[in-house]
Amino acid sequence: AQSVSQHNHHVILSEAASLELGCNYSYGGTVNLFWYVQYPGQHLQLLLKYFSGDPLVKGIKGFEAEFIKSKFSFNLRKPSVQWSDTAEYFCAVMIYNQGGKLIFGQGTELSVKP
Amino acid sequence: SAVISQKPSRDICQRGTSLTIQCQVDSQVTMMFWYRQQPGQSLTLIATANQGSEATYESGFVIDKFPISRPNLTFSTLTVSNMSPEDSSIYLCSVSTGLSTGTEAFFGQGTRLTVV
Repeated sequence: AQSVSQHNHHVILSEAASLELGCNYSYGGTVNLFWYVQYPGQHLQLLLKYFSGDPLVKGIKGFEAEFIKSKFSFNLRKPSVQWSDTAEYFCAVMIYNQGGKLIFGQGTELSVKP
Repeated sequence: SAVISQKPSRDICQRGTSLTIQCQVDSQVTMMFWYRQQPGQSLTLIATANQGSEATYESGFVIDKFPISRPNLTFSTLTVSNMSPEDSSIYLCSVSTGLSTGTEAFFGQGTRLTVV
């Protein structure tokens, strides 16, 4: 069965530190890739998405992600985090021709210390 | 894009009762989905709501527990039946805009259910 794996369950950083959250998926065909963020007590929001083309995609709030097809990875990065980035981050994969359903990773909780 | 309205936004229910959650989309969409997010967990797909036919359930979810209706291309309901405290979760409705690459998913605000 297809699956999505996020490497870190909980990451703690100080403000201005750089962030990289790992995401790997297990499927050899065409996929759409997403990162979602969930701030405490709030609903899910889309950070960025990859459909095709340039494997480096930029999203909101200074986030970016790189799709490396050979590694089945879609890692999320931010050069300098802020306290307001404290949230849960979810990687998700949509498999082409499976109707648009998403497979989510386990989530990574990011805590940024001021 | 699609704007999704979910009702209720939250509820506290007695064990043994049932709750029906409504999902209304502002445009006709092909695919609608229901997800569950248990406390401290990720999102898990419950089922795909098919217009005019029975929903397609994922492993571990059954129609008797989570009956779903989809009478048209803009509306769906999910019922959580015979609830127990383990059903306390956020339930989310989602739609996708197509079937090909470039398909994006949109989410409702979710229904936060607490079973006591």
